[in-house]
Amino acid sequence: DARVTQTPRHKVTEMGQEVTMRCQPILGHNTVFWYRQTMMQGLELLAYFRNRAPLDDSGMPKDRFSAEMPDATLATLKIQPSEPRDSAVYFCASGLGTTSGANVLTFGAGSRLTVL
Amino acid sequence: AQSVTQLDSHVSVSEGTPVLLRCNYSSSYSPSLFWYVQHPNKGLQLLLKYTSAATLVKGINGFEAEFKKSETSFHLTKPSAHMSDAAEYFCVGPSGSSNTGKLIFGQGTTLQVKP
Repeated sequence: DARVTQTPRHKVTEMGQEVTMRCQPILGHNTVFWYRQTMMQGLELLAYFRNRAPLDDSGMPKDRFSAEMPDATLATLKIQPSEPRDSAVYFCASGLGTTSGANVLTFGAGSRLTVL
Repeated sequence: AQSVTQLDSHVSVSEGTPVLLRCNYSSSYSPSLFWYVQHPNKGLQLLLKYTSAATLVKGINGFEAEFKKSETSFHLTKPSAHMSDAAEYFCVGPSGSSNTGKLIFGQGTTLQVKP
């Protein structure tokens, strides 16, 4: 089965360090989503790309977070500098977006980030 | 703004009894709606999707959901709960005033299944 691959699966780092999470979407999918899951906030949408172009990153703290798609096979989410409140599970999902908006997402296994 | 609202944060049922997990949406157009399930310490799995083809949607593991435009609801049901159904369930739908494909999650409903 085709799958979305996220790395790293687990990351423990110290406050102030840079963290980069990577996502390989399913080949042929044209949309990529980044979500963050915490106990308090549930699943929050951080950023959304279609055809590698960022369509919405309003859910992302702009001062420290950045999301990019250098090419169609790679999406990255970077935090610099990281803070303890960034500790969460970060999910990447890809899908085949259409003009009608129907967008079944396949999720990666997530990257569990702990910032000490 | 568009949103999906899950009406119950926690639902507890006995094994073998029906399951009802409620989701309401707000939308100015006919939305695409989804239910995902997350088992403890696991990823997110698609249960079913509504994309305007049929109002009653059947998914995996015996789940189904009915899109009711008049009630702006997309409730998830299952006739008979199994212990393995214990998990977190998320209703997912569009966000924004136009149909951009942006998808957001409801707050989630924890389903507990008692023996």
